[in-house]
Amino acid sequence: DVKVTQSSRYLVKRTGEKVFLECVQDMDHENMFWYRQDPGLGLRLIYFSYDVKMKEKGDIPEGYSVSREKKERFSLILESASTNQTSMYLCASGGGRPFFYEQYFGPGTRLTVT
Amino acid sequence: EDKVVQSPLSLVVHEGDTVTLNCSYEVTNFRSLLWYKQEKKAPTFLFMLTSSGIEKKSGRLSSILDKKELFSILNITATQTGDSAVYLCAVESTNAGKSTFGDGTTLTVKP
Repeated sequence: DVKVTQSSRYLVKRTGEKVFLECVQDMDHENMFWYRQDPGLGLRLIYFSYDVKMKEKGDIPEGYSVSREKKERFSLILESASTNQTSMYLCASGGGRPFFYEQYFGPGTRLTVT
Repeated sequence: EDKVVQSPLSLVVHEGDTVTLNCSYEVTNFRSLLWYKQEKKAPTFLFMLTSSGIEKKSGRLSSILDKKELFSILNITATQTGDSAVYLCAVESTNAGKSTFGDGTTLTVKP
């Protein structure tokens, strides 16, 4: 079974702090994704990566950056957390190139910025 | 801009009922449509549809795609309380190489 793990299930940070969310997958997938999920807004793509050291902006990249130094690990970074970044963050991975096939999701990190 | 619209937004039924969930889309260079089930955690994959008119089936769940009319339906027969979840529809475009998600349909199945 595909396993996607995220470093924290719940996280509380203060405004202005730098936040790291880590995601690891064990299926040697080329593609990894970071989404945020908010009520009434569905899943929105922040960034995705189709190879090590490669990244592409999604629909809402502002205020975020990512890092993919190893194939199995994809990190989401909030350089200076703000209250409007309070959300559920979901990481996903999937195989296939150049297209993206079904994605497998991690358990999510619920981030609260106070 | 790619767009995915799901309906209804929420649905309450009783065990044993049959439900149909709808997903319509507008996407440049369609690649595939995917259905996910999300309970109190992350989404899990249900189906991937790429061709019109070919039904995908898994137990009591089935789905079909109409690429001419740009929609898909997800059917659940003989619903059970364990089917209660948010059902997400996503569409992949060959251009952007990413999925666009709808807002989901929240299904509640009462005993």
